Amino acid sequence: NAGVMQNPRHLVRRRGQEARLRCSPMKGHSHVYWYRQLPEEGLKFMVYLQKENIIDESGMPKERFSAEFPKEGPSILRIQQVVRGDSAAYFCASLYTRDTEAFFGQGTRLTVV
Amino acid sequence: TQLLEQSPQFLSIQEGENLTVYCNSSSVFSSLQWYRQEPGEGPVLLVTVVTGGEVKKLKRLTFQFGDARKDSSLHITAAQPGDTGLYLCAGARRGNNDMRFGAGTRLTVKP
Repeated sequence: NAGVMQNPRHLVRRRGQEARLRCSPMKGHSHVYWYRQLPEEGLKFMVYLQKENIIDESGMPKERFSAEFPKEGPSILRIQQVVRGDSAAYFCASLYTRDTEAFFGQGTRLTVV
Repeated sequence: TQLLEQSPQFLSIQEGENLTVYCNSSSVFSSLQWYRQEPGEGPVLLVTVVTGGEVKKLKRLTFQFGDARKDSSLHITAAQPGDTGLYLCAGARRGNNDMRFGAGTRLTVKP
């Protein structure tokens, strides 16, 4: 859905570099989910955030990965010291409230070389 | 193990055939959603089912939510090549914050 903007669409990083993925939710939405998708697979939950709060990060690796959703600006998924296994498509979804419908961005395809 | 189990994982049929795909869980959901994802794109919401036993129709697509709100099905009548894609179900359990997805059913409709 065009309302959720993710950038960049494609990101290439060398092993050991940092990757920053941005997600601007739909206007008025204060809930954001991040998912990871490997080729030919479904979406794996990573983290659920509300403005300025991490609600559930149980799906996110404890090392190298972090996420934030500041009061102003987009949600950021940050991957430090990337490895080849981090290569995947990362999608964010925004919701108005927790129980309402999720709208997805077009994803960021991260390639680690 | 997946919280939501989708079956079949892959389905290849001829144009004009009917099909049903399933989404099952041992957990109760406050609602379930179905999405379709095409290559290179994000998932697009098709429908949300909320009430146990609910049936919703979207043109040739019929969605059903189980009475116990643990499972759902998607039936497509007279499939067309444009229906090709990855069909994902998703839901949030009561009292939980995480909206989880099944692994999806990858449908191919051949002309």
